[in-house]
Amino acid sequence: AQKVTQAQTEISVVEKEDVTLDCVYETRDTTYYLFWYKQPPSGELVFLIRRNSFDEQNEISGRYSWNFQKSTSSFNFTITASQVVDSAVYFCALSERDYGQNFVFGPGTRLSVLP
Amino acid sequence: GAGVSQSPRYKVTKRGQDVALRCDPISGHVSLYWYRQALGQGPEFLTYFNYEAQQDKSGLPNDRFSAERPEGSISTLTIQRTEQRDSAMYRCASSLAGVSYEQYFGPGTRLTVT
Repeated sequence: AQKVTQAQTEISVVEKEDVTLDCVYETRDTTYYLFWYKQPPSGELVFLIRRNSFDEQNEISGRYSWNFQKSTSSFNFTITASQVVDSAVYFCALSERDYGQNFVFGPGTRLSVLP
Repeated sequence: GAGVSQSPRYKVTKRGQDVALRCDPISGHVSLYWYRQALGQGPEFLTYFNYEAQQDKSGLPNDRFSAERPEGSISTLTIQRTEQRDSAMYRCASSLAGVSYEQYFGPGTRLTVT
């Protein structure tokens, strides 16, 4: 069955530090999709990025970047020059095309950025 | 257009009562998903629809839980004979079409069973 592991339960950094959130997944499908979501203290779930299994190109969006490596089944998320507003719980998620039709979310990593 | 909306936002009910939670997806989105999220945990999949067809209900905890989307738009998640363990945040999400697309989440319904 598909599975998502986020080994870091909580991370605290000081503003302007870089931080990487780890995501490791398991799937038997060859076509699958990976996602990151942010859940700030207000509670909503905000979509950040989607990646399909055939696109290993890393992506950068402002201070955010994502590193997808199929060889290690990882899809890590880096925030550069962190800000207090980045404080949130971040979830990695996986969906499969052929073997499963539903999203599996990881347990989340709580990031606290201290001023 | 508007995002995903859910109602009510908060529901307090007594054990044994039935509750119905409503989700209005983003207009034009084919797929609709229901999740349950306990405090401090990630969303847990319950069920999902493409149009009006329920594609997967493997996440529904037991037969007290059911969902429908009769016209392929608004969906209702119903919990019969509620129990205290049903207390959680229930979230709805919609996506353009299927699992390859990102999901956009509603604000959730906080259900408390007393």
